[in-house]
Amino acid sequence: EDQVTQSPEALRLQEGESSSLNCSYTVSGLRGLFWYRQDPGKGPEFLFTLYSAGEEKEKERLKATLTKKESFLHITAPKPEDSATYLCAVQVSLQAAGNKLTFGGGTRVLVKP
Amino acid sequence: GAGVSQSPRYKVAKRGQDVALRCDPISGHVSLFWYQQALGQGPEFLTYFQNEAQLDKSGLPSDRFFAERPEGSVSTLKIQRTQQEDSAVYLCASSGPGLPYEQYFGPGTRLTVT
Repeated sequence: EDQVTQSPEALRLQEGESSSLNCSYTVSGLRGLFWYRQDPGKGPEFLFTLYSAGEEKEKERLKATLTKKESFLHITAPKPEDSATYLCAVQVSLQAAGNKLTFGGGTRVLVKP
Repeated sequence: GAGVSQSPRYKVAKRGQDVALRCDPISGHVSLFWYQQALGQGPEFLTYFQNEAQLDKSGLPSDRFFAERPEGSVSTLKIQRTQQEDSAVYLCASSGPGLPYEQYFGPGTRLTVT
């Protein structure tokens, strides 16, 4: 069974204090790993897709990396507006699995000024 | 351009009532997904459509849940005889044909069953 585990569950940071979020996964065949940001009362907002080990993508203060077993979301010099829940999800390549996403539980990030 | 829209945004139902939740995907997106998100958890897959065909309904928790997309565009998720455990946020997502595979989510419908 495909599993996605995110850690830590919650993270409190001071503004400017860089940190990393972890997403470890166990899947039968990875098609893609996705990072989303979710603000309270809103739907998940797409951030990145990573397809193969060694791949990296950046957007403003966020950088996502991928290995064969896990992905990291690095937040560099965070600002209060980076406060949100960050969700990781995997999509597997088996035909029978279709295109559904399997999500982790999320990491709630709070950045204090 | 317009994103995924869902209505209503909030729904309160008494136990035993039927509810219908609507999703309007991004124009041109052939794939449409429904997810259920409990408080403090990640979304969980319910069902998937490609155009009007429901290709995967393995995540629907019981036969009280039914989804349709008759013309390959707007979709409706129906829950019959609602129970308290159905209280959650119901998210709809859509994606285009082929690569990239990312799914774009609507704002969700928060269902509270009293």
